[in-house]
Amino acid sequence: KQEVTQIPAALSVPEGENLVLNCSFTDSAIYNLQWFRQDPGKGLTSLLLIQSSQREQTSGRLNASLDKSSGRSTLYIAASQPGDSATYLCAPWGTLEGAGSYQLTFGKGTKLSVIP
Amino acid sequence: GAVVSQHPSRVICKSGTSVKIECRSLDFQATTMFWYRQFPKQSLMLMATSNEGSKATYEQGVEKDKFLINHASLTLSTLTVTSAHPEDSSFYICSARGHRDTGETQYFGPGTRLLVL
Repeated sequence: KQEVTQIPAALSVPEGENLVLNCSFTDSAIYNLQWFRQDPGKGLTSLLLIQSSQREQTSGRLNASLDKSSGRSTLYIAASQPGDSATYLCAPWGTLEGAGSYQLTFGKGTKLSVIP
Repeated sequence: GAVVSQHPSRVICKSGTSVKIECRSLDFQATTMFWYRQFPKQSLMLMATSNEGSKATYEQGVEKDKFLINHASLTLSTLTVTSAHPEDSSFYICSARGHRDTGETQYFGPGTRLLVL
């Protein structure tokens, strides 16, 4: 059974800092890996999707890398802003047995606070 | 991106009553829908997977007679929490995925906050 760990659980940084969020997963036989953002009491917003053939993906100030063999992914946020404050979730895609499709397994997330 | 809606966004009910939560894919046909539950400061836990027109597949530990899932059309799935109890209070999130030609991506709804008194 896939287990996902995100470190740190919480992070507080001053505005403008660059930061790295870490995600590790136990089963390296994943298809894709996706990073999400969740604001308090809200649903999920997809940030980046790293496909199985890729090692990284970039969108604006966000860069996510994936090392399947070591079971790790990192999300790099450059020049952090107060609006980046949210919980960031990592979710590797694993095979949904017998259904020919995939399911996501989520970590508990990293709660980020960017102080103005 | 594709849009998934949930209704209601928030519901408060008395213990013993049943609550129905709707999940709709607004601009694509969802062949597969997923229901997740999230307790405070915890990760999203998959409850069940449903394919249109088929019975839902429940994850281990999830009572299928308590959490009734219906995926009767390609745009609508419902989760009914029967005889709800305070321990069922949680944040319920659905997601939907379309045909292969729309990609494998799951699109998530905004969630429904359930409080059972």
